[in-house]
Amino acid sequence: GENVEQHPSTLSVQEGDSAVIKCTYSDSASNYFPWYKQELGKRPQLIIDIRSNVGEKKDQRIAVTLNKTAKHFSLHITETQPEDSAVYFCAASWAQTGANNLFFGTGTRLTVIP
Amino acid sequence: NAGVTQTPKFQVLKTGQSMTLQCAQDMNHNSMYWYRQDPGMGLRLIYYSASEGTTDKGEVPNGYNVSRLNKREFSLRLESAAPSQTSVYFCASTRGVGNRELFFGEGSRLTVL
Repeated sequence: GENVEQHPSTLSVQEGDSAVIKCTYSDSASNYFPWYKQELGKRPQLIIDIRSNVGEKKDQRIAVTLNKTAKHFSLHITETQPEDSAVYFCAASWAQTGANNLFFGTGTRLTVIP
Repeated sequence: NAGVTQTPKFQVLKTGQSMTLQCAQDMNHNSMYWYRQDPGMGLRLIYYSASEGTTDKGEVPNGYNVSRLNKREFSLRLESAAPSQTSVYFCASTRGVGNRELFFGEGSRLTVL
């Protein structure tokens, strides 16, 4: 099965700085790479995703990049704000139809220091 | 429109007891999932149901059973609870083909003594 590794496990940045979280995956058949944000005591929620036919995707202060050859993808958050503090999970999936079986990384706890 | 609703939110069991976690979604989604979340281990898939009438094992199915009761409901049963099953359990759903976003429930915190 798929194995997703995520680094770092914890990350502290000053408000206004950028944050980068990196993930690698093992299954070259994986074609969908979402990122979920989980605030303390809450449910995970999708913040951005990318498919394997795209190298980069951006949504306001959040961007994701994908390198299929190296099998790694990254989340970039610019101009960080205190409300960005949360645990972020990357995931990978190869489902074409039917169920979307996501394999998650172990999470990165991001702390934005005001 | 409540999204994904799971019950109970908290449960304490003794080793060997059984219980069922209930999950329902009102978004007309085809696929449903049960994940467990443990510190430092991310979210791991226990079982999933690609569509009504089908269920399949995920990464960590041992000690669990599931039932897809109808399109809306997907339950997770622990027949004989063990301390290793102490975790936070999340139910989730996706629309299916072409839309892969997972919508999660609020989670159920289970403690097995």
